[in-house]
Amino acid sequence: NAGVTQTPKFQVLKTGQSMTLQCAQDMNHEYMSWYRQDPGMGLRLIHYSVGAGITDQGEVPNGYNVSRSTTEDFPLRLLSAAPSQTSVYFCASSLGQGYRSPLHFGNGTRLTVT
Amino acid sequence: EDKVVQSPLSLVVHEGDTVTLNCSYEVTNFRSLLWYKQEKKAPTFLFMLTSSGIEKKSGRLSSILDKKELFSILNITATQTGDSAVYLCAVGSSQGGSEKLVFGKGTKLTVNP
Repeated sequence: NAGVTQTPKFQVLKTGQSMTLQCAQDMNHEYMSWYRQDPGMGLRLIHYSVGAGITDQGEVPNGYNVSRSTTEDFPLRLLSAAPSQTSVYFCASSLGQGYRSPLHFGNGTRLTVT
Repeated sequence: EDKVVQSPLSLVVHEGDTVTLNCSYEVTNFRSLLWYKQEKKAPTFLFMLTSSGIEKKSGRLSSILDKKELFSILNITATQTGDSAVYLCAVGSSQGGSEKLVFGKGTKLTVNP
């Protein structure tokens, strides 16, 4: 049972490059979300989706795009990387949105932008 | 603005000690409070509390919520080195049809042998 799978685990980008962080879950969860974790800041919500074809912005959406074409996959795109996007990114899924049910997290992607 | 404050930010104890981690919050329309444990990688779920005064327990870990005083505590008894981790508190709320989950900054617990 894989749960939530994120790839890659590590990535180094130059300023201005673009890339996609992949996230897939096999639990048939409707709700998926992306968080970034920075030292001293806690986890902050970037974007989320309540089902295939539906996405919405979280607390810190600027510079990121998402799409949800299937229940299983929820990729996060960095359009033009900036040093401020250096962070650890976590994808999560759950049965329900927000406070309703616990989040299942992937193992994270450590991104460095130089 | 919704706020979740965890204390202490870090804590070092010896194996066998009992620890209490704190989480206080100020949110609009409180719905739930969740505790997670984060070791090297992904946070993993510990407890979800929605009702005041009802203790949730799992082995040596327990948690209770006080909705009147707006806080929760996470207790760990007879600590082991495997309890070393960052413990995250998250508070769920709803406002105008929108649901929200706000995380605290975490408490880093180190258990020394």
